[in-house]
Amino acid sequence: GENVEQHPSTLSVQEGDSAVIKCTYSDSASNYFPWYKQELGKRPQLIIDIRSNVGEKKDQRIAVTLNKTAKHFSLHITETQPEDSAVYFCAAIQGAQKLVFGQGTRLTINP
Amino acid sequence: DAGITQSPRHKVTETGTPVTLRCHQTENHRYMYWYRQDPGHGLRLIHYSYGVKDTDKGEVSDGYSVSRSKTEDFLLTLESATSSQTSVYFCAIRGYSGIGANVLTFGAGSRLTVL
Repeated sequence: GENVEQHPSTLSVQEGDSAVIKCTYSDSASNYFPWYKQELGKRPQLIIDIRSNVGEKKDQRIAVTLNKTAKHFSLHITETQPEDSAVYFCAAIQGAQKLVFGQGTRLTINP
Repeated sequence: DAGITQSPRHKVTETGTPVTLRCHQTENHRYMYWYRQDPGHGLRLIHYSYGVKDTDKGEVSDGYSVSRSKTEDFLLTLESATSSQTSVYFCAIRGYSGIGANVLTFGAGSRLTVL
């Protein structure tokens, strides 16, 4: 089945700097790659997603890139702000039914 | 909130007792999922459903069973709870078609402690 690896597990950046989180997946048939943000004590919420027919997608300060050949995708957050502090999860869809998640990255924005 | 509710939100139980968690949706979505969240492991899929009475196992299904007798309800049962099942359980729903076809919407979570 699908396996999703996410790195790093923790990331600390200065406010205003950029943050990058990377994920690799194993199933070349996967075609949908979302990113979820989970604030402390809250439920995960979708922040951006990308489909396999697109190489990059941007939404204000966040962007996601996909390299299908290498089977990896990345989340980029620019001009980080304190409210960006959270745990971020990548995921890949397996067989059109199962969404498999990475282990999560705890992002801390230092003032 | 977002058409999905979980109950109970918190539960403390003893080893060996049965536990049932309920997920209720008002979105008429076809797909429903149960995940558990533990530190260092992210969100791991327990079971999922792709229709009434249609369910399948996820990556960590041992010790859990599910039932879906109607579209809006998906029940997760621990027949005999163990301490290793202490976790936060999230239910999620997913639409089948259209722009939001793959988007998972999560419930607020159910924190289960097994003593």
